[in-house]
Amino acid sequence: SQQGEEDPQALSIQEGENATMNCSYKTSINNLQWYRQNSGRGLVHLILIRSNEREKHSGRLRVTLDTSKKSSSLLITASRAADTASYFCATDGSGGSNYKLTFGKGTLLTVNP
Amino acid sequence: GAVVSQHPSRVICKSGTSVKIECRSLDFQATTMFWYRQFPKQSLMLMATSNEGSKATYEQGVEKDKFLINHASLTLSTLTVTSAHPEDSSFYICSATTLPGTDAYEQYFGPGTRLTVT
Repeated sequence: SQQGEEDPQALSIQEGENATMNCSYKTSINNLQWYRQNSGRGLVHLILIRSNEREKHSGRLRVTLDTSKKSSSLLITASRAADTASYFCATDGSGGSNYKLTFGKGTLLTVNP
Repeated sequence: GAVVSQHPSRVICKSGTSVKIECRSLDFQATTMFWYRQFPKQSLMLMATSNEGSKATYEQGVEKDKFLINHASLTLSTLTVTSAHPEDSSFYICSATTLPGTDAYEQYFGPGTRLTVT
């Protein structure tokens, strides 16, 4: 069953702007990960944040995690047209399944040149 | 490193036939592989977990006899869709990891296989 819910479902911005996507989940987790998927392609791992971490950076990506609110956000700064893709959060650790990933519904990001 | 391949990338088959999809870890040994299914504009749904040398563990609602999974070696898992029907048309994605034995981990995803059943 799906645990994560991303919002917005779709986001359209201009190149150079920042994009923020949110993810909420329902049960306790060990880790939360963000993935990118270009249309019709496989997933690319972006960043992993552990349940005891609050913020993590990787290049133009910034991820926050609020376990009290069961939510995470992904910020992409200075967006580029190449960032156009679907972004999914995935959690592991729910229901005692420490390694199975449960994916959210995803946010379709369109960066207009 | 950590490259996972899938073959074929696209396949079209007739209703009633069987289709085999391969998932290979190219530069690491994958003790565990996962098979996902993704419908258009939707998220990935885990179908089954495959451990090398043992039977796959299927998620609730996934038919074991229809989706046969074999993980014969540490670098290869196969998914066979038996007696395919048009409703089986979907994007199938595998991932591989070196579990168990790790705490925080990453799953390395294949590029996916687009199955169309006519």
